[in-house]
Amino acid sequence: EAGVAQSPRYKIIEKRQSVAFWCNPISGHATLYWYQQILGQGPKLLIQFQNNGVVDDSQLPKDRFSAERLKGVDSTLKIQPAKLEDSAVYLCASRTANTGELFFGEGSRLTVL
Amino acid sequence: QQQVKQSPQSLIVQKGGISIINCAYENTAFDYFPWYQQFPGKGPALLIAIRPDVSEKKEGRFTISFNKSAKQFSLHIMDSQPGDSATYFCAAESNYQLIWGAGTKLIIKP
Repeated sequence: EAGVAQSPRYKIIEKRQSVAFWCNPISGHATLYWYQQILGQGPKLLIQFQNNGVVDDSQLPKDRFSAERLKGVDSTLKIQPAKLEDSAVYLCASRTANTGELFFGEGSRLTVL
Repeated sequence: QQQVKQSPQSLIVQKGGISIINCAYENTAFDYFPWYQQFPGKGPALLIAIRPDVSEKKEGRFTISFNKSAKQFSLHIMDSQPGDSATYFCAAESNYQLIWGAGTKLIIKP
């Protein structure tokens, strides 16, 4: 069974530029999450989707971050404009329902200079 | 009340020893307590999980001990091996919301 796919693995941009990350969850997983993980910290939830609807985006900085999950399958996370403090690993995770094991991708490491 | 407090922040254990990581919570509505293991450059992966209707769950060398009255749970790694060196996160879930601890960096010395 294929795991959660993310791309790109690494991205370096200047502050005020934009960046987009892509995630393809495990087939059949209705729930998809985007997390931000700053070095040395635990994952911080940015947004949770159930199919193509948003369940929780309370911690998403909506002035610069946006995410969508068209057709309830893959998802994109965009940052525009990026700030230095956005340097982090962006993790995508999915699971079959709203509880149980979360399956993570390997993450997209963003460096903002 | 939504916090999960994890300790210690880092831990060094000799090969063959027992590694113990602790977590505490306040919200009595939490009903699912997983532990995730993360290696450098990888996403977290589920190690073991417990629900509050049992006090202990064992899978191989890994055991979760759960104390509902104290609102604490811990991960025990028996016969710790260098390959166990990783960052460990506890978490707690309620109403489909998963709250993460800050993580423990575990180093097993050969």
